[in-house]
Amino acid sequence: DVVLTQSPLSLPVTLGQPASISCRSSQSLVHSDGNTYLNWFQQRPGQTPRRLIYKVSVRDSGVPDKFSGSGSGTDFTLKISRVEAEDVGVYYCLQGAHWPWTFGQGTKVEIK
Amino acid sequence: QVQLVQSGAEVKKPGASVKVSCKTSGFTFSTCALVWVRQAPGQRLEWMGWINVGSGDTKYSQKFQGRVTITRDTPASTGYMELSSLTSEDTAVYYCAKDAWASIDSWGQGTPVTVSS
Repeated sequence: DVVLTQSPLSLPVTLGQPASISCRSSQSLVHSDGNTYLNWFQQRPGQTPRRLIYKVSVRDSGVPDKFSGSGSGTDFTLKISRVEAEDVGVYYCLQGAHWPWTFGQGTKVEIK
Repeated sequence: QVQLVQSGAEVKKPGASVKVSCKTSGFTFSTCALVWVRQAPGQRLEWMGWINVGSGDTKYSQKFQGRVTITRDTPASTGYMELSSLTSEDTAVYYCAKDAWASIDSWGQGTPVTVSS
């Protein structure tokens, strides 16, 4: 199975400051169709997960542009340009390039 | 709008089976794929399996192979996930979700399953 390793696992951030989360894959996430199926989800406390980004960098409808995704091959990053209180939660990467799909361990973002 | 409405909370004894349903609306069920994910208390999201509703083709995580069965009732626009030989380690919230671009774009509300003697 593809292993996704997120870092850091805990990320205390000052309000208004940027945050960056890394997701490294044990193998390339480039599918045979040429797409790279790496996604990012936000799970606020007590809530269902919500997708933020798919195919590395495509933001979902309604997702603020303070969230951005980048990367290629095996190294990917989610950035929050200015963290607000509503961004507190756990962020997961998910790969859909290979069966079985796999999630990263999650990164807990909290306010310092 | 897209909706996935799951069945209610379950309490099961060790060794029993549980079957969770996922009633969908707001999209063409017959051409979609559904994903099942679980989350144990305080733990990460865990992908369990996937079904192509049109073909019935399924994919499962090796971790659950032999214990999980994902099915669908196309006329009823409903998906199902059955997990057998339950242990306390299967205590979790189980989610159905809709596949979009080898990803998940919509989630059910979750079904808590508690396994306890």
